[in-house]
Amino acid sequence: DTGVSQDPRHKITKRGQNVTFRCDPISEHNRLYWYRQTLGQGPEFLTYFQNEAQLEKSRLLSDRFSAERPKGSFSTLEIQRTEQGDSAMYLCASSPDPGPYEQYFGPGTRLTVT
Amino acid sequence: SQKIEQNSEALNIQEGKTATLTCNYTNYSPAYLQWYRQDPGRGPVFLLLIRENEKEKRKERLKVTFDTTLKQSLFHITASQPADSATYLCALDPRARQLTFGSGTQLTVLP
Repeated sequence: DTGVSQDPRHKITKRGQNVTFRCDPISEHNRLYWYRQTLGQGPEFLTYFQNEAQLEKSRLLSDRFSAERPKGSFSTLEIQRTEQGDSAMYLCASSPDPGPYEQYFGPGTRLTVT
Repeated sequence: SQKIEQNSEALNIQEGKTATLTCNYTNYSPAYLQWYRQDPGRGPVFLLLIRENEKEKRKERLKVTFDTTLKQSLFHITASQPADSATYLCALDPRARQLTFGSGTQLTVLP
């Protein structure tokens, strides 16, 4: 068990560019979550997968955001046409199923949009 | 609207004392309440989970209480150490699918 990994750890991009982040969950975990965290705040839920099915999306997830989890393994989060307001830490977490659903977080990807 | 409040943004205590952190919530009926620790630049780390029908949970120097009538959880660290310095996050789990986090309390344990 190597824990949840995320790649890249840091990403600097110019406004208007597209970015994609990857998350590799703990191998036996069926549930995968994406959160966004800004300075001084707790993580905010973005979306959740049960195996390959995306079961819930937050209203924070605008049309510019898309997430996938092909084959129920790793997941990607893509942001199109980035804006400065997208600058944040993007966290991935996984949990086993059935519950009680404590979540195991990765180290995050720090996005800076210039 | 749903709201989670954690006590004062920063808490400083002396080494060896007990740190008590508070999490209050409104307009939730959580099935579970969880506490996480977060160090700067890193993802949160799970510490404890308490169910709605449990009053108290302990793990080593950590203790969590959960009062669904008061809509409050208290998180205690006994015999605190400088290594306990971190931000502590309270998270509610109303539907066992997503977590809703408070903004955290930054704890500093002074040697």
